[in-house]
Amino acid sequence: QVQLVESGGGLVKPGGSLRLSCAASGFTFSDHYMSWIRQAPGKGLEWVSYISTSGSTIYYADSVKGRFTISRDNAKNSLYLQMNSLRAEDTAVYYCARRTQPPDCWGQGTLVTVSS
Amino acid sequence: DIVMTQSPDSLAVSLGERATINCKSSQSVLSSSNNKNYLAWFQQKPGQPPKLLLFWASTRESGVPDRFSGSGSGTDFTLTISSLQAEDVAVYYCQQYYTTPRAFGQGTKVEIK
Repeated sequence: QVQLVESGGGLVKPGGSLRLSCAASGFTFSDHYMSWIRQAPGKGLEWVSYISTSGSTIYYADSVKGRFTISRDNAKNSLYLQMNSLRAEDTAVYYCARRTQPPDCWGQGTLVTVSS
Repeated sequence: DIVMTQSPDSLAVSLGERATINCKSSQSVLSSSNNKNYLAWFQQKPGQPPKLLLFWASTRESGVPDRFSGSGSGTDFTLTISSLQAEDVAVYYCQQYYTTPRAFGQGTKVEIK
């Protein structure tokens, strides 16, 4: 069955960096666009970024553009999100999701807390 | 950017009764090339990730009970739960996937009356 498992979340100080990973299994990873979507505590969903199958097409939300970098390794069936210059408002559960039109399978999420 | 607005923010419905959630987009999400509405509905239960319920505004994802239905076109959409069950207590989100950024509505919380 399709499985997405995020890791790499944790507590980081403002201005710090964190790299999230998403391990995919149960489907042909290289055939699918992949997305990162986040949810601040008690809040709604915010789409963060997506990447095409080859990595040649990438989009970011304005709120993270220039600070976050999405990437993928199809040989390792893995998706990544490098997060730099983190701010308190980046505190959220970060979900990895398959596809973008629309995202049809989601991981359980990893919590990122930005606080001093 | 397209803005998605849901109404109401919350609603309480008796078991077995109908629940209706509205979603309005600030621009049309209907594609003239394929006549499809790029609109999805998600269900999120406490402590769980969102689950895709409907796509193309009215197509149920595999395994979704037929009490969930979607309607609408262009800028105005509706999610209907025909007979509310206890397991339907959740927050429901609409999302447009017509353009980037792929905006979500703010969510509608459905509870039992």
